[in-house]
Amino acid sequence: QKEVEQNSGPLSVPEGAIASLNCTYSDRVSQSFFWYRQYSGKSPELIMSIYSNGDKEDGRFTAQLNKASQYVSLLIRDSQPSDSATYLCAAWDYGNNRLAFGKGNQVVVIP
Amino acid sequence: SQTIHQWPATLVQPVGSPLSLECTVEGTSNPNLYWYRQAAGRGLQLLFYSIGIDQISSEVPQNLSASRPQDRQFILSSKKLLLSDSGFYLCAWSDRRMQETQYFGPGTRLLVL
Repeated sequence: QKEVEQNSGPLSVPEGAIASLNCTYSDRVSQSFFWYRQYSGKSPELIMSIYSNGDKEDGRFTAQLNKASQYVSLLIRDSQPSDSATYLCAAWDYGNNRLAFGKGNQVVVIP
Repeated sequence: SQTIHQWPATLVQPVGSPLSLECTVEGTSNPNLYWYRQAAGRGLQLLFYSIGIDQISSEVPQNLSASRPQDRQFILSSKKLLLSDSGFYLCAWSDRRMQETQYFGPGTRLLVL
């Protein structure tokens, strides 16, 4: 198993709906997790970090960490066309001293 | 506040030509610095990271090299580019005490023909 996996294909959501993204991780990474947003042709932008089990809310974004099941999620409430982007999940790999990234999930918000 | 700059923004180079990409960080001291590559349809690949001047670790053996001549300057180089070097090159920085929290620069898009 790769350190961080994002397996879902492109996600299309209507404007105003909730977009839900999931990411699973292996035992080789730590308990520090991050979500980056990457617009087409642009660099990744850090939007959320989560370190403790449970939920963390920041505006329309909620990150959820479930250590027992080894997954981390990102919810985007009241999705807007400006949320259309690729979302990258990342986790800190203490063994290799680096950030391990998933391949990303594309979100398309349909007006 | 901290800002990170990269240049050039885009670059088209012939195979076999040299390469020099530059990254500078403002508003912080003693940052950790990173070079990543993002190839089309692939994830982010860590190429080099640096915890200080002349302290550089290579993650992937290849024809690229990195240097850090100043505390907030990180340079990615190659003597002879390959077609496979095409991609989106991203510089990132982190605070020494929170190295897992990384912030990316705007990137350089390199096309090797």
